[in-house]
Amino acid sequence: QKEVEQNSGPLSVPEGAIASLNCTYSDRGSQSFFWYRQYSGKSPELIMSIYSNGDKEDGRFTAQLNKASQYVSLLIRDSQPSDSATYLCAVKAYSGAGSYQLTFGKGTKLSVIP
Amino acid sequence: ETGVTQTPRHLVMGMTNKKSLKCEQHLGHNAMYWYKQSAKKPLELMFVYSLEERVENNSVPSRFSPECPNSSHLFLHLHTLQPEDSALYLCASSQDPPQVAGVGETQYFGPGTRLLVL
Repeated sequence: QKEVEQNSGPLSVPEGAIASLNCTYSDRGSQSFFWYRQYSGKSPELIMSIYSNGDKEDGRFTAQLNKASQYVSLLIRDSQPSDSATYLCAVKAYSGAGSYQLTFGKGTKLSVIP
Repeated sequence: ETGVTQTPRHLVMGMTNKKSLKCEQHLGHNAMYWYKQSAKKPLELMFVYSLEERVENNSVPSRFSPECPNSSHLFLHLHTLQPEDSALYLCASSQDPPQVAGVGETQYFGPGTRLLVL
């Protein structure tokens, strides 16, 4: 059973601070990693994707991947109240019979306090 | 808007009803997905279609029946559901099928159908 683990939170950070969201995964063969943001009552929207070890930056967001430790994280700099949402980590791995599957964590709820 | 639409947005049905959920993608993508999102549980993949052919079925009960008549449309037919089937049902699409790695594998979600089974 492939698993993706996230702290459910809530994670509370003050406005302007750095929010750090973490995710671990069980399948060493995982090859693609995604962070989605989901506002309450809405559908997930893609924030970042990362495929190789190291950091990937996009605006205020930085995704970090460490395949040896089976760990992927998302940093949000200068956090804004509008960043308050649930952040879903998703990992793609081989699921057998020539097929790949995206497995999601339960999500971490982030609250940015003005 | 992601270019993926779903109807209806909300649905209440009894256990003996038959209903269908509809998903349409306007992105020219080749793969479409159905997910179930229940409270306190992670998103669960239900079905995957690649070029209109079903490639994945995650042991979903037969009371859920998917249909993909073309690459832009995906349906989920529901019959004799149980109260525990109440959830948010999300449709997604991607440019490339799931066995391809890279930018084209990114999945874009529709707004979802909130289903309540009484």
